[in-house]
Amino acid sequence: DGGITQSPKYLFRKEGQNVTLSCEQNLNHDAMYWYRQDPGQGLRLIYYSQIVNDFQKGDIAEGYSVSREKKESFPLTVTSAQKNPTAFYLCASSTDRAKHYGYTFGSGTRLTVV
Amino acid sequence: QQQVKQSPQSLIVQKGGISIINCAYENTAFDYFPWYQQFPGKGPALLIAIRPDVSEKKEGRFTISFNKSAKQFSLHIMDSQPGDSATYFCAARSKAAGNKLTFGGGTRVLVKP
Repeated sequence: DGGITQSPKYLFRKEGQNVTLSCEQNLNHDAMYWYRQDPGQGLRLIYYSQIVNDFQKGDIAEGYSVSREKKESFPLTVTSAQKNPTAFYLCASSTDRAKHYGYTFGSGTRLTVV
Repeated sequence: QQQVKQSPQSLIVQKGGISIINCAYENTAFDYFPWYQQFPGKGPALLIAIRPDVSEKKEGRFTISFNKSAKQFSLHIMDSQPGDSATYFCAARSKAAGNKLTFGGGTRVLVKP
């Protein structure tokens, strides 16, 4: 089955520590995205990438970094510069070659600062 | 700034009732309008979508109504069931924005048995 895999499902970070969230897709989608969701809130775009080796900042990129070395992978690093990282992080992918355009989301990673 | 405004933020409906969620937009370049359903602790999943050349689309108990002149679209959930209790997001795409989706703020729907 094709889909997006996010790992880990739960992640705990100590103050001042960098952590990396994994996102892998086998859908052959060109574009990939990272969103942050706070409790009871909507989706805020952190970074997105439309092709390999290229990515753009979203609305809340400060304190985050990404890479896109492979089409299938788009890891997100939450750095110590992100002062309030506790949130639910969602990865998504998309293609404009399908009949019905839309995002496919992963199942999310819940990050907690301890 | 591209925006999609969604209302209400939350709603409670009795089992068998109709849930209605509304979205409004300003950018006339939007050309695709999907709705996503999200259960707690899960990622959103595509529910139904519409293009602006169609005024209504129905899939099972879910219907999108689209009013191009008013720049509004809505999701109707007919015969609402407790299993429909979730958060619903509307969204809009603009090719000019690199095919990124702009999401509404979400509506938490609770269907009471």
